Amino acid sequence: QVHLIQSAADVKKPGASLKLSCQTSGYTFVHYGISWVRQAPGQGLEWMGWTSAYNGNINYAPRFQDRITLTTDTSTGTVYMDLRNLTSDDTAVYYCARDEPQVQLDHWGLGTLVTVSS
Amino acid sequence: EIVVTQSPDTLALSPGERATLSCRASHSIDTSIAWYQHKPGQVPRLLINDASNRVTGVPDRFSGSGSGTDFTLTITSLEPEDFAVYYCQERGRWPRLSFGGGTKVEIK
Repeated sequence: QVHLIQSAADVKKPGASLKLSCQTSGYTFVHYGISWVRQAPGQGLEWMGWTSAYNGNINYAPRFQDRITLTTDTSTGTVYMDLRNLTSDDTAVYYCARDEPQVQLDHWGLGTLVTVSS
Repeated sequence: EIVVTQSPDTLALSPGERATLSCRASHSIDTSIAWYQHKPGQVPRLLINDASNRVTGVPDRFSGSGSGTDFTLTITSLEPEDFAVYYCQERGRWPRLSFGGGTKVEIK
């Protein structure tokens, strides 16, 4: 059974950075990509970026391009997302999701609530 | 950048009624559209990919159609568990993707 286990909720101060993890199991990690999606309170879903576990290719949404980094540890099947220079607008639930070109986002982690507050 | 616009924002219907949700892309994307159901406190659930392909386990009252720029998700007869927010997602320029703003289907 496919599982994506995400890191625990966190509280950050404005200007800080966060690093979230997404540990996968139940499938062949290198056959799929991982996308990160967030949802701010009362808002819709927003795609942040994608990484291929197969070849390490990465693509970021333009609005996050200058402050996001995705990294992959293929030995543990884990993907990490770093987001820098946080503001209160980054308060959101952050999801990772398994991503396949023809299938789209078919399995999701439970999400990590990140609160940015002084 | 491809922008997807969903309409209406909210759809108030009764159980048993038919729901028709629309999604329009700013550029032609062939059939690169997926639909998700999202309930409060739960994770998004993939319903449809490739515009009309129903994912395994999704009831057949859900169907998707369209190509190019205009797409539709239809729920033929609403069940109580179908009241939720629905998002369309485009993948016209893989690997980038974007979501529409969502349509909330609520009980009338």
